[in-house]
Amino acid sequence: GAGVSQSPSNKVTEKGKDVELRCDPISGHTALYWYRQSLGQGLEFLIYFQGNSAPDKSGLPSDRFSAERTGGSVSTLTIQRTQQEDSAVYLCASSRLPKDEQFFGPGTRLTVL
Amino acid sequence: AQSVSQHNHHVILSEAASLELGCNYSYGGTVNLFWYVQYPGQHLQLLLKYFSGDPLVKGIKGFEAEFIKSKFSFNLRKPSVQWSDTAEYFCAVNAARGSTLGRLYFGRGTQLTVWP
Repeated sequence: GAGVSQSPSNKVTEKGKDVELRCDPISGHTALYWYRQSLGQGLEFLIYFQGNSAPDKSGLPSDRFSAERTGGSVSTLTIQRTQQEDSAVYLCASSRLPKDEQFFGPGTRLTVL
Repeated sequence: AQSVSQHNHHVILSEAASLELGCNYSYGGTVNLFWYVQYPGQHLQLLLKYFSGDPLVKGIKGFEAEFIKSKFSFNLRKPSVQWSDTAEYFCAVNAARGSTLGRLYFGRGTQLTVWP
């Protein structure tokens, strides 16, 4: 079956602009995660959605970051007023249940000029 | 909070050499353990996982890992590497239960380069 998909694959934006990153998880997976991969910080957890429960936002680095998951499927990560330190690869993952292995998407490479 | 340490940043081997990549974690509770691999230009893929049971787990492509609870370690091994194993390897853990269930904590990664 189809894996996790993300769009766009690359995004170049100017400092101060808002960006939206999209994730389509594997069908039937109840858990969805966002991570960020950057040279200085490695792979960091950002936010986690599980079913209809309130998301775990504890990894979001600032209030400029937010995410939604609509209808228990597609998720959008929004970064407002982007800064150069936001440049990274943003990875989405999904799992059937929270305790199961996570399947990762190809990522969105964000470059903030 | 949980943390994961990978001891080697960059490992360079010749084909047919044996491989061991170290991984230690810090967490007081029950954990699930994973090794992920990222081949050049590709996305993260699961290499192997440990949830419970036999602490020696076998994954794809001849890789295995051993969970040693007393040492909080989950080292990755392969008896004979191939050029195609060139990739970045990430150790990861998550809590088996509790408020942080699901979220993965990753090590910084080990870049493995295998010379033909």
